[in-house]
Amino acid sequence: GIQVEQSPPDLILQEGANSTLRCNFSDSVNNLQWFHQNPWGQLINLFYIPSGTKQNGRLSATTVATERYSLLYISSSQTTDSGVYFCAVEQGNFNKFYFGSGTKLNVKP
Amino acid sequence: GAGVSQTPSNKVTEKGKYVELRCDPISGHTALYWYRQSLGQGPEFLIYFQGTGAADDSGLPNDRFFAVRPEGSVSTLKIQRTERGDSAVYLCASRAQSAASGELFFGEGSRLTVL
Repeated sequence: GIQVEQSPPDLILQEGANSTLRCNFSDSVNNLQWFHQNPWGQLINLFYIPSGTKQNGRLSATTVATERYSLLYISSSQTTDSGVYFCAVEQGNFNKFYFGSGTKLNVKP
Repeated sequence: GAGVSQTPSNKVTEKGKYVELRCDPISGHTALYWYRQSLGQGPEFLIYFQGTGAADDSGLPNDRFFAVRPEGSVSTLKIQRTERGDSAVYLCASRAQSAASGELFFGEGSRLTVL
Protein backbone atom coordinates (compact mmCIF):
# COMPACT_ATOMS: atom_id res chain seq x y z
CA GLY A 1 0.00 0.00 0.00
CA ILE A 2 0.88 3.66 -0.17
CA GLN A 3 3.31 5.06 2.42
CA VAL A 4 2.39 8.26 4.28
CA GLU A 5 5.11 10.06 6.21
CA GLN A 6 4.48 13.00 8.49
CA SER A 7 7.04 15.38 9.91
CA PRO A 8 8.03 16.41 12.43
CA PRO A 9 6.81 13.61 14.72
CA ASP A 10 6.81 15.94 17.71
CA LEU A 11 6.59 19.71 17.97
CA ILE A 12 6.60 22.03 20.95
CA LEU A 13 5.55 25.63 20.43
CA GLN A 14 5.13 28.68 22.56
CA GLU A 15 1.64 30.17 22.33
CA GLY A 16 1.50 32.66 19.47
CA ALA A 17 4.12 30.93 17.32
CA ASN A 18 3.56 29.69 13.78
CA SER A 19 4.28 26.20 12.46
CA THR A 20 4.25 24.05 9.35
CA LEU A 21 3.43 20.35 9.36
CA ARG A 22 4.31 18.20 6.38
CA CYS A 23 2.78 15.09 4.84
CA ASN A 24 4.63 13.15 2.12
CA PHE A 25 3.09 10.24 0.25
CA SER A 26 4.71 7.62 -1.92
CA ASP A 27 2.26 7.43 -4.82
CA SER A 28 -0.39 9.47 -6.58
CA VAL A 29 -3.58 10.05 -4.60
CA ASN A 30 -7.09 11.19 -5.42
CA ASN A 31 -8.02 12.48 -1.99
CA LEU A 32 -6.31 13.86 1.10
CA GLN A 33 -7.62 14.92 4.47
CA TRP A 34 -6.08 16.59 7.52
CA PHE A 35 -7.45 15.73 10.96
CA HIS A 36 -6.81 17.00 14.47
CA GLN A 37 -7.13 14.39 17.22
CA ASN A 38 -7.92 16.17 20.45
CA PRO A 39 -6.80 14.93 23.88
CA TRP A 40 -10.08 13.00 24.21
CA GLY A 41 -9.32 11.03 21.06
CA GLN A 42 -11.89 12.59 18.74
CA LEU A 43 -10.75 12.98 15.13
CA ILE A 44 -11.85 16.39 13.93
CA ASN A 45 -11.91 17.24 10.23
CA LEU A 46 -9.69 20.16 9.34
CA PHE A 47 -9.37 20.07 5.57
CA TYR A 48 -10.46 17.91 2.67
CA ILE A 49 -7.84 18.99 0.17
CA PRO A 50 -6.94 16.74 -2.78
CA SER A 51 -5.16 19.68 -4.39
CA GLY A 52 -4.73 23.42 -4.10
CA THR A 53 -4.91 25.67 -1.06
CA LYS A 54 -7.62 26.22 1.53
CA GLN A 55 -7.83 28.44 4.58
CA ASN A 56 -9.98 28.29 7.68
CA GLY A 57 -9.22 30.96 10.24
CA ARG A 58 -5.70 30.51 11.61
CA LEU A 59 -5.24 27.24 9.71
CA SER A 60 -4.46 26.74 6.07
CA ALA A 61 -3.39 23.79 3.94
CA THR A 62 -1.77 23.27 0.59
CA THR A 63 -1.57 20.04 -1.40
CA VAL A 64 0.76 19.67 -4.37
CA ALA A 65 -0.44 16.34 -5.69
CA THR A 66 2.06 16.18 -8.56
CA GLU A 67 4.93 16.41 -6.04
CA ARG A 68 3.23 14.11 -3.52
CA TYR A 69 3.08 16.31 -0.46
CA SER A 70 0.74 18.44 1.59
CA LEU A 71 1.44 21.15 4.17
CA LEU A 72 -0.65 22.30 7.11
CA TYR A 73 0.06 25.78 8.43
CA ILE A 74 -0.92 26.87 11.91
CA SER A 75 -0.55 30.56 12.67
CA SER A 76 -0.71 32.29 16.06
CA SER A 77 -0.95 28.94 17.81
CA GLN A 78 -3.13 28.52 20.90
CA THR A 79 -3.05 25.94 23.69
CA THR A 80 -6.24 24.45 22.27
CA ASP A 81 -4.30 23.55 19.10
CA SER A 82 -2.46 20.87 21.11
CA GLY A 83 -3.04 17.28 20.08
CA VAL A 84 -2.06 15.03 17.21
CA TYR A 85 -2.43 16.05 13.57
CA PHE A 86 -2.99 13.30 11.03
CA CYS A 87 -2.81 13.28 7.28
CA ALA A 88 -4.81 10.61 5.43
CA VAL A 89 -4.74 9.81 1.72
CA GLU A 90 -6.88 7.77 -0.64
CA GLN A 91 -5.89 6.21 -3.96
CA GLY A 92 -8.66 6.02 -6.51
CA ASN A 93 -12.17 6.90 -5.39
CA PHE A 94 -14.21 5.36 -2.59
CA ASN A 95 -11.37 3.25 -1.30
CA LYS A 96 -9.66 3.07 2.05
CA PHE A 97 -7.70 5.98 3.47
CA TYR A 98 -4.12 5.43 4.62
CA PHE A 99 -3.00 7.42 7.66
CA GLY A 100 0.39 8.76 8.61
CA SER A 101 1.79 8.35 12.12
CA GLY A 102 0.87 11.90 13.01
CA THR A 103 2.56 15.01 14.37
CA LYS A 104 2.12 15.50 18.10
CA LEU A 105 1.83 19.21 18.85
CA ASN A 106 2.16 20.72 22.31
CA VAL A 107 1.44 24.45 22.57
CA LYS A 108 2.65 25.92 25.85
CA PRO A 109 1.12 29.04 27.42
CA GLY B 1 -28.16 11.62 14.00
CA ALA B 2 -25.93 14.59 13.34
CA GLY B 3 -22.68 12.66 13.55
CA VAL B 4 -21.25 9.14 13.61
CA SER B 5 -22.30 7.42 16.81
CA GLN B 6 -20.37 4.54 18.39
CA THR B 7 -21.30 2.34 21.32
CA PRO B 8 -20.06 1.43 23.81
CA SER B 9 -17.56 4.21 24.38
CA ASN B 10 -15.60 1.92 26.69
CA LYS B 11 -15.55 -1.85 26.96
CA VAL B 12 -13.48 -3.92 29.37
CA THR B 13 -13.51 -7.65 28.83
CA GLU B 14 -11.54 -10.74 29.73
CA LYS B 15 -9.30 -12.68 27.41
CA GLY B 16 -11.27 -15.21 25.42
CA LYS B 17 -14.61 -13.39 25.57
CA TYR B 18 -16.73 -12.24 22.62
CA VAL B 19 -17.24 -8.52 21.95
CA GLU B 20 -19.53 -6.49 19.70
CA LEU B 21 -18.96 -2.84 18.84
CA ARG B 22 -21.67 -0.82 17.15
CA CYS B 23 -21.50 2.07 14.68
CA ASP B 24 -24.39 4.27 13.55
CA PRO B 25 -23.24 6.37 10.55
CA ILE B 26 -24.38 9.79 9.44
CA SER B 27 -27.83 9.50 7.92
CA GLY B 28 -27.65 8.91 4.17
CA HIS B 29 -23.97 7.96 4.11
CA THR B 30 -23.57 4.82 2.05
CA ALA B 31 -19.92 4.13 2.83
CA LEU B 32 -18.85 2.96 6.30
CA TYR B 33 -15.31 2.26 7.54
CA TRP B 34 -13.81 0.59 10.59
CA TYR B 35 -10.31 1.53 11.76
CA ARG B 36 -8.26 0.50 14.78
CA GLN B 37 -5.89 2.83 16.61
CA SER B 38 -3.26 1.67 19.05
CA LEU B 39 -1.56 4.04 21.46
CA GLY B 40 0.82 6.43 19.72
CA GLN B 41 -0.05 5.28 16.22
CA GLY B 42 -2.23 6.41 13.35
CA PRO B 43 -5.54 4.72 12.60
CA GLU B 44 -5.16 1.40 10.80
CA PHE B 45 -7.76 0.27 8.24
CA LEU B 46 -9.85 -2.81 9.01
CA ILE B 47 -12.85 -2.99 6.66
CA TYR B 48 -14.97 -0.82 4.39
CA PHE B 49 -18.65 -1.24 3.44
CA GLN B 50 -20.41 0.20 0.45
CA GLY B 51 -24.08 -0.30 1.24
CA THR B 52 -24.59 -3.75 2.76
CA GLY B 53 -21.55 -5.41 1.27
CA ALA B 54 -17.94 -5.39 2.38
CA ALA B 55 -16.08 -3.70 -0.47
CA ASP B 56 -12.66 -4.24 1.13
CA ASP B 57 -11.94 -6.38 4.21
CA SER B 58 -8.21 -6.64 3.61
CA GLY B 59 -7.37 -5.00 6.94
CA LEU B 60 -9.06 -7.53 9.21
CA PRO B 61 -6.14 -9.10 11.11
CA ASN B 62 -7.51 -12.65 11.30
CA ASP B 63 -10.70 -14.69 11.27
CA ARG B 64 -11.57 -13.71 14.84
CA PHE B 65 -12.67 -10.35 13.45
CA PHE B 66 -15.91 -10.00 11.52
CA ALA B 67 -18.17 -7.08 10.61
CA VAL B 68 -21.68 -6.81 9.25
CA ARG B 69 -23.97 -4.11 7.93
CA PRO B 70 -27.19 -5.98 7.15
CA GLU B 71 -29.42 -3.05 6.20
CA GLY B 72 -26.82 -0.68 4.84
CA SER B 73 -26.89 1.62 7.85
CA VAL B 74 -25.76 0.44 11.30
CA SER B 75 -22.68 -1.76 11.41
CA THR B 76 -21.40 -4.15 14.06
CA LEU B 77 -17.77 -5.19 14.48
CA LYS B 78 -17.52 -8.58 16.13
CA ILE B 79 -14.42 -9.95 17.82
CA GLN B 80 -14.31 -13.57 18.95
CA ARG B 81 -11.96 -15.07 21.53
CA THR B 82 -10.47 -11.71 22.38
CA GLU B 83 -6.75 -11.43 23.07
CA ARG B 84 -4.81 -8.81 25.01
CA GLY B 85 -3.35 -7.57 21.72
CA ASP B 86 -6.85 -6.59 20.57
CA SER B 87 -6.85 -3.74 23.09
CA ALA B 88 -7.16 -0.51 21.13
CA VAL B 89 -9.58 2.23 20.15
CA TYR B 90 -11.90 1.08 17.37
CA LEU B 91 -12.98 3.96 15.16
CA CYS B 92 -15.87 4.08 12.75
CA ALA B 93 -16.21 6.57 9.91
CA SER B 94 -18.74 7.26 7.19
CA ARG B 95 -18.87 9.21 3.97
CA ALA B 96 -21.43 10.06 1.32
CA GLN B 97 -21.05 8.43 -2.09
CA SER B 98 -20.88 11.63 -3.99
CA ALA B 99 -18.41 13.10 -6.39
CA ALA B 100 -18.96 16.44 -4.71
CA SER B 101 -17.57 15.41 -1.35
CA GLY B 102 -15.57 12.36 -0.37
CA GLU B 103 -14.88 13.65 3.12
CA LEU B 104 -14.58 11.03 5.85
CA PHE B 105 -16.27 11.71 9.23
CA PHE B 106 -15.28 9.79 12.35
CA GLY B 107 -17.11 8.83 15.50
CA GLU B 108 -15.60 9.18 18.97
CA GLY B 109 -14.46 5.58 19.03
CA SER B 110 -14.92 2.55 21.24
CA ARG B 111 -12.04 1.90 23.60
CA LEU B 112 -11.58 -1.85 24.08
CA THR B 113 -9.48 -3.21 26.93
CA VAL B 114 -8.83 -6.94 27.10
CA LEU B 115 -7.57 -8.09 30.50
